[in-house]
Amino acid sequence: EAGVAQSPRYKIIEKRQSVAFWCNPISGHATLYWYQQILGQGPKLLIQFQNNGVVDDSQLPKDRFSAERLKGVDSTLKIQPAKLEDSAVYLCASSLQVTGQETQYFGPGTRLLVL
Amino acid sequence: AQSVTQPDIHITVSEGASLELRCNYSYGATPYLFWYVQSPGQGLQLLLKYFSGDTLVQGIKGFEAEFKRSQSSFNLRKPSVHWSDAAEYFCAVGARGSYIPTFGRGTSLIVHP
Repeated sequence: EAGVAQSPRYKIIEKRQSVAFWCNPISGHATLYWYQQILGQGPKLLIQFQNNGVVDDSQLPKDRFSAERLKGVDSTLKIQPAKLEDSAVYLCASSLQVTGQETQYFGPGTRLLVL
Repeated sequence: AQSVTQPDIHITVSEGASLELRCNYSYGATPYLFWYVQSPGQGLQLLLKYFSGDTLVQGIKGFEAEFKRSQSSFNLRKPSVHWSDAAEYFCAVGARGSYIPTFGRGTSLIVHP
């Protein structure tokens, strides 16, 4: 079974530029999550999708971050414009559904450096 | 809101020695509890989880954890550490009814040969 795929693996941009990350979840997984992991910290949830609908985006900085999951499969996370403090690893995860007991499977992450 | 404390930033053990990583949580009821491992450049992998029932949970790679309600703890243990266990370990707590895990800051495990 293929795991969660993410691209690119690494990205370096200058502040005020825009950047987009892509995630392909495990086939059949209805729930998709985006996390931000700043160096030295645990992952923090940014947004959660159930199929193509948003379940929770309370911690997403909506003035600069946006995410979509068209057709309930792949997802993209965008930052526009980027700030220095956005330097982090962006992790995508998926699970079969959100019941409270589903295991989340994580992708390898995209490491973003904002200069 | 729930929270997790991992008091040790780094732990160093010798290969073959036993291991215990500490995790304390704050939550008003019985939470969901998890341990994840993250190897360099990799995503997180679930080691084990506790939802209910037996408080001693067995996981993958020879790890186990024990839920102690009286101490609000969920410590991770392994009887004999291998060099390949060197990684970052994250404890996480999830509130019942709203599955959004809150992660601790992680404990970095260093294994000496």
